[in-house]
This record gives sequence, C-alpha cells and structure tokens, in this order.
Amino acid sequence: NAGVTQTPKFRVLKTGQSMTLLCAQDMNHEYMYWYRQDPGMGLRLIHYSVGEGTTAKGEVPDGYNVSRLKKQNFLLGLESAAPSQTSVYFCASSQTSGSYNEQFFGPGTRLTVL
Amino acid sequence: GQNIDQPTEMTATEGAIVQINCTYQTSGFNGLFWYQQHAGEAPTFLSYNVLDGLEEKGRFSSFLSRSKGYSYLLLKELQMKDSASYLCAVMDSNYQLIWGAGTKLIIKP
Repeated sequence: NAGVTQTPKFRVLKTGQSMTLLCAQDMNHEYMYWYRQDPGMGLRLIHYSVGEGTTAKGEVPDGYNVSRLKKQNFLLGLESAAPSQTSVYFCASSQTSGSYNEQFFGPGTRLTVL
Repeated sequence: GQNIDQPTEMTATEGAIVQINCTYQTSGFNGLFWYQQHAGEAPTFLSYNVLDGLEEKGRFSSFLSRSKGYSYLLLKELQMKDSASYLCAVMDSNYQLIWGAGTKLIIKP
C-alpha cells in the first residue's frame, strides 16, 4: 500500500497563478483533510471531506477550493495564488471522524508564491 | 479561543529521558493525540489519550489529566533517531483536531 500520496512535492508560483494539488489514498478511508503548516504555528485545517462528493470548510478556507469526485482523491485548488499562501501543504485521511481518529498524512507539498 | 501550548524546543542527551508537556484550552474534548514529525517529513501518529492516566507504548508513554488540561509525552532511552518535532493535538467538541505548534527535540550524543 502506498498510503497517502501527494503531487507535486514542490512548486513555485507567481502571484495570481493557479494550481491544483492532488492527494490520493489507497486505504479506502472515508475522511480526507487538507492542512497547511507554517513555521511557529500548528497545522491548520483548510478544508475536509467526510465522503465522496462532500466537502466542508475548515479553519482557514479563504483562497482555496476543493473537490472530492472520487473516494480516493481529494484535490486542493488555488485560483489566484498570493504570497501568504506560501506554505507546506499536507493531505491526510482517516477511517472515521470519531474520537479515536488516527490521521495518516501524505509527504507534503512545498509551495512558494513569489 | 482554542489554544494548545507546548515548548518550542528542548534538548536532551542520548540514552536519557525527556518529558514534553502540552497544555490545552479547547471547546470540548474528545481525545488528545501525539504525533512525531521528522524534519521535511509527514507527521506520524504516536499515541492517543481520552481517559486520565498513563498510556505506555514501548519507549514512549503519554499522560493525560483532563481536569488540568494537561498532557505529557515521555520518551525513555533516547536515541538519535528521536530527534524530531512532537506535535500535540486535541480533538474538540466538533471532532476537529486543534494542533499545537510542536516541540523540536534535539538529541545530543
């Protein structure tokens, strides 16, 4: 099993450009999440999905959109990138959303917006 | 507001014991998690506590006191490979994980 994979691993964008980050999981998990991680701050939830065809906003959703057309894939889109979106982006998945909710993380995407 | 506090950085010696503390104030509580994150890598799950007390898993143990809003991660017989950041996260009343900024642990020979 590959677990959770993310593409691309690195990307440099200019302000105003758009891009899509792809997350895929092969564990048949229902729940998927997109986080960003910035120096000196905890992981912050951008958007999440509780199942195929559903998405919901997290703590910091502005400037991002997501789609979950297939259970195994969760896409994060930046329509018009801004320097404030320079960050490391992690995708995660979990079997449940209950209290015992071990999340499995992908390797991350390092995004720089110039 | 919701808040997770943990020390920014700690240093310990190979073979020793280190305790990493985490205090939290959240809207509701549905469990506390510890994750390990090596530099440039993804976080990986270490432990989960939902009841007060100590959970032991090999060299790692995690303690929880819900009344005090406090947890610690105890690492014994430290090895160089334990050099990493340790992330404390609390699941709130909406089953969302609230993450601390992490504690960078430096192990010296």
